[in-house]
Amino acid sequence: EDQVTQSPEALRLQEGESSSLNCSYTVSGLRGLFWYRQDPGKGPEFLFTLYSAGEEKEKERLKATLTKKESFLHITAPKPEDSATYLCAARRSNDYKLSFGAGTTVTVRA
Amino acid sequence: SAVISQKPSRDICQRGTSLTIQCQVDSQVTMMFWYRQQPGQSLTLIATANQGSEATYESGFVIDKFPISRPNLTFSTLTVSNMSPEDSSIYLCSVVSSGREGPYEQYFGPGTRLTVT
Repeated sequence: EDQVTQSPEALRLQEGESSSLNCSYTVSGLRGLFWYRQDPGKGPEFLFTLYSAGEEKEKERLKATLTKKESFLHITAPKPEDSATYLCAARRSNDYKLSFGAGTTVTVRA
Repeated sequence: SAVISQKPSRDICQRGTSLTIQCQVDSQVTMMFWYRQQPGQSLTLIATANQGSEATYESGFVIDKFPISRPNLTFSTLTVSNMSPEDSSIYLCSVVSSGREGPYEQYFGPGTRLTVT
């Protein structure tokens, strides 16, 4: 059975304090590892799709990386507006279903 | 990227009633899905909305409870039937679209926050 596990559950950072979120996955024939940002009461906002081990993608202060077993979302010099829940999800090779992790809630204090 | 709108954005309903949620996409998409996010939980796939045929439901979800229509490639509805407080959730429409950076990106609508009293 597909499993996606995110850690930590919650992360409190001081503004400017860089950190990383982890997403470990057990998915047969991975065809995409997705990262989303979700603000309270809103739908997930697409950030990245990573397709193969070694791939990296960046967007502003966020950088996502992928290995054969896990993905990391690095937040560099975060600002309070980076506070949100970050979700990762994995897609198998034989369908379009996404298996989601429970999310990491990031709080950045000014 | 695809822009998705949902109606209503939120509603408070009495138990035993039904609510139909609409999803409109700004471009034609092949793959469209409905997800549920219960309070404090992550997202769970309810079904794949198939254009011109019956939706494909995930384990634990049935057509009588969550009937879905998909009359064309830009629009779908999800009905939550005979509601109970356990149906209080955010319901999200999602589509697959080809993106600038790769062949497969999946986007979500803003969600419909449903509270059943």
